[in-house]
Amino acid sequence: EPEVTQTPSHQVTQMGQEVILRCVPISNHLYFYWYRQILGQKVEFLVSFYNNEISEKSEIFDDQFSVERPDGSNFTLKIRSTKLEDSAMYFCASSEVLAYEQYFGPGTRLTVT
Amino acid sequence: QKEVEQDPGPLSVPEGAIVSLNCTYSNSAFQYFMWYRQYSRKGPELLMYTYSSGNKEDGRFTAQVDKSSKYISLFIRDSQPSDSATYLCAMSEGSGGSNYKLTFGKGTLLTVNP
Repeated sequence: EPEVTQTPSHQVTQMGQEVILRCVPISNHLYFYWYRQILGQKVEFLVSFYNNEISEKSEIFDDQFSVERPDGSNFTLKIRSTKLEDSAMYFCASSEVLAYEQYFGPGTRLTVT
Repeated sequence: QKEVEQDPGPLSVPEGAIVSLNCTYSNSAFQYFMWYRQYSRKGPELLMYTYSSGNKEDGRFTAQVDKSSKYISLFIRDSQPSDSATYLCAMSEGSGGSNYKLTFGKGTLLTVNP
């Protein structure tokens, strides 16, 4: 069964460093998302991406964040200058035509020290 | 008022019990309602989704939506120890274009004891 994959599974970085989190969505899916989950808190929407552009972003997704689909299979989230409060699980999700039917990857645990 | 509220539990039941999980919401624009299961330190796994009000059944799982009360439920029949996980409700306006972002509840931690 096709699934969303994410790399790395765990990333440790120092405050102020740039990180890139990578995702390979399900191959025939058209909509791509990033969510995050701070330990013990809700899963929160960050950004949605369709037709090679951002379709919606949350207040969390400020100028420090960017997304890119560099080729036909990868979808990346970049954080330019990490802060301690960026420490969280970051989930990539994708969906086909029914955009509310979203399938999540296993997540990347980001630890900022 | 929080947009989606869900009792975090924990909820502990014996094997074979019927489990009822619930969420309330305040945004009347929500039209699509999902239930996800999340094991510890893993990604959410889509269990079921429903559109607008009504019931949907899939094996041991039944999802109910009551839009007039802004209340959704997930019932698990004949619960198994393998059902032990955190159950997240999620909702979307889904009115086209960009409105497919999911708004999640905090999740209910369920333990089914053998």
